[in-house]
Amino acid sequence: ETGVTQTPRHLVMGMTNKKSLKCEQHLGHNAMYWYKQSAKKPLELMFVYNFKEQTENNSVPSRFSPECPNSSHLFLHLHTLQPEDSALYLCASSQGDRENNEQFFGPGTRLTVL
Amino acid sequence: GENVEQHPSTLSVQEGDSAVIKCTYSDSASNYFPWYKQELGKRPQLIIDIRSNVGEKKDQRIAVTLNKTAKHFSLHITETQPEDSAVYFCAALLSGSARQLTFGSGTQLTVLP
Repeated sequence: ETGVTQTPRHLVMGMTNKKSLKCEQHLGHNAMYWYKQSAKKPLELMFVYNFKEQTENNSVPSRFSPECPNSSHLFLHLHTLQPEDSALYLCASSQGDRENNEQFFGPGTRLTVL
Repeated sequence: GENVEQHPSTLSVQEGDSAVIKCTYSDSASNYFPWYKQELGKRPQLIIDIRSNVGEKKDQRIAVTLNKTAKHFSLHITETQPEDSAVYFCAALLSGSARQLTFGSGTQLTVLP
């Protein structure tokens, strides 16, 4: 399963650190997404990019900063996170102009904030 | 916006029995309803979906039904097997939206041997 890849797969960081999550899709899709998956709120949509333009920001705190330099790459920059930000961060992509909009997920980054 | 509710949150069945998971949605303009399966430690993957112009769709042991009037849709798994154990998520796509899916909260299905 190499359609959507994410690095790193696991990340442990302190609250004062700055780190970035990377997502890459090899499916020729034009829409990419960041989701947060935790025990309390499964599959919580964070950001949506269509054709490299951010179209959705679901009230995500500013300590999360997305970047989409092109339709194949998506980053999530992290700084001054809180322990409650510990979760699985999933990237997904889809062909945004198709009605069925099947989303293909990456394997996720398991983030632990100490 | 759309709101999707999913029940039950956990479900245990004996191997060979059927399992049913139900979801309701709030916006009648939603027109696409996929179901994703997430096995432990793995990514969610699409298993079946249904469009609003269809009432039922079947693929081997899994089927999905849609009631547009009542705004609910269900996943049916027959002859369950241990490998069906996973978390299942329903979702709804709002027509004309920025192509974002609204997911239900998930159902942990356990098939007991």
